[in-house]
Amino acid sequence: AQKITQTQPGMFVQEKEAVTLDCTYDTSDQSYGLFWYKQPSSGEMIFLIYQGSYDEQNATEGRYSLNFQKARKSANLVISASQLGDSAMYFCAMSPYSSASKIIFGSGTRLSIRP
Amino acid sequence: GAVVSQHPSWVICKSGTSVKIECRSLDFQATTMFWYRQFPKQSLMLMATSNEGSKATYEQGVEKDKFLINHASLTLSTLTVTSAHPEDSSFYICSARGPGTSGRAETQYFGPGTRLLVL
Repeated sequence: AQKITQTQPGMFVQEKEAVTLDCTYDTSDQSYGLFWYKQPSSGEMIFLIYQGSYDEQNATEGRYSLNFQKARKSANLVISASQLGDSAMYFCAMSPYSSASKIIFGSGTRLSIRP
Repeated sequence: GAVVSQHPSWVICKSGTSVKIECRSLDFQATTMFWYRQFPKQSLMLMATSNEGSKATYEQGVEKDKFLINHASLTLSTLTVTSAHPEDSSFYICSARGPGTSGRAETQYFGPGTRLLVL
């Protein structure tokens, strides 16, 4: 069985600062994918970044980077130079690698950016 | 890019009525779609996997007779909440497997969600 754990229910960060959102996972699969999604108050799920379990380099997408530590089973999201528009719920998620089959989500972290 | 739509975006109904929610992939074909439910301030919980032309696969604890799923075409899956009750009030989100990005063979694209309120 797969499990995603996000231990930070909420975070406050000053605008322009970097922020790290924690995510640990548990799986017996050898191959898997890790995702981060952003959910603003409108409810839509916005894909941010993806990391494959066999990818040797940490994924980066603009201001987002994923700090992937396979031995520790962690996949923290780092947002650099935070903006007011970054305020939202952030979900870490996992799925088997071979294809985008069902995705298991963590409990989420509510990020609030202070001006 | 790949777009998934849901209709309606909001629905309010009386207890005991049935509500149908549509999920469409607009610019790609999706053999597999997923239905999630999200209660306020909680995470997304997978309800079922919808496969075109076959029966849906329900997650443990989800009543298949309560939540009817039909995936009649490669671009449309529907979720019908039968005899809805106030405890079914939730945010329902669908997703569809579509063309990959970021080096992946495929990825999931999410619809904007449907808010259901049962009075």
